[in-house]
Amino acid sequence: AQSVTQLGSHVSVSEGALVLLRCNYSSSVPPYLFWYVQYPNQGLQLLLKYTSAATLVKGINGFEAEFKKSETSFHLTKPSAHMSDAAEYFCAVSDTRDKVIFGPGTSLSVIP
Amino acid sequence: GAGVSQSPSNKVTEKGKDVELRCDPISGHTALYWYRQSLGQGLEFLIYFQGNSAPDKSGLPSDRFSAERTGGSVSTLTIQRTQQEDSAVYLCASSLRTGGRTDTQYFGPGTRLTVL
Repeated sequence: AQSVTQLGSHVSVSEGALVLLRCNYSSSVPPYLFWYVQYPNQGLQLLLKYTSAATLVKGINGFEAEFKKSETSFHLTKPSAHMSDAAEYFCAVSDTRDKVIFGPGTSLSVIP
Repeated sequence: GAGVSQSPSNKVTEKGKDVELRCDPISGHTALYWYRQSLGQGLEFLIYFQGNSAPDKSGLPSDRFSAERTGGSVSTLTIQRTQQEDSAVYLCASSLRTGGRTDTQYFGPGTRLTVL
């Protein structure tokens, strides 16, 4: 069965610092992976997704993630945090036709 | 509208009452999903529709939960005899294709359900 773990339910970074949100997956078949973001009082929206084309995926708002098969990881990074990046971030895996499994989420706080 | 809409945005009900939550997907999206997000929890998959049929109902937590979709569009999630543990935000999402593995899901703002 597929699953997703996100290390750290809450991460705090200073404005301008590197953002690193960790995601590890378990999948019996080659996975497709997603990062979604949920801003306060808003619905989830797609940040980026890995669909086996390039292992380094660039998304919106300066975020990117790298698929590492050997580490079963898909960590999300951003070189310089902005106050507007404060949100809940969800990693997800799709390895069956009809279902996407979401991780528990990581809440990102940005300190001025 | 341009996005997925859900109604009501908030619902407060008494234990034992039935509630209906509505989802209007993006026009033309054939796949529709329901999730539950409890406080401090991730997204719990409830049910998936392809057109009007539900190939996967495995996430429904009990027989008090049911969902239907009509005309390949609007979906209703019904919770009968609500319990306090049903309190959560219920999210709906739709995607353009047939729920394929690479589909991007577009989420609605959710319905916050509180059972007193």
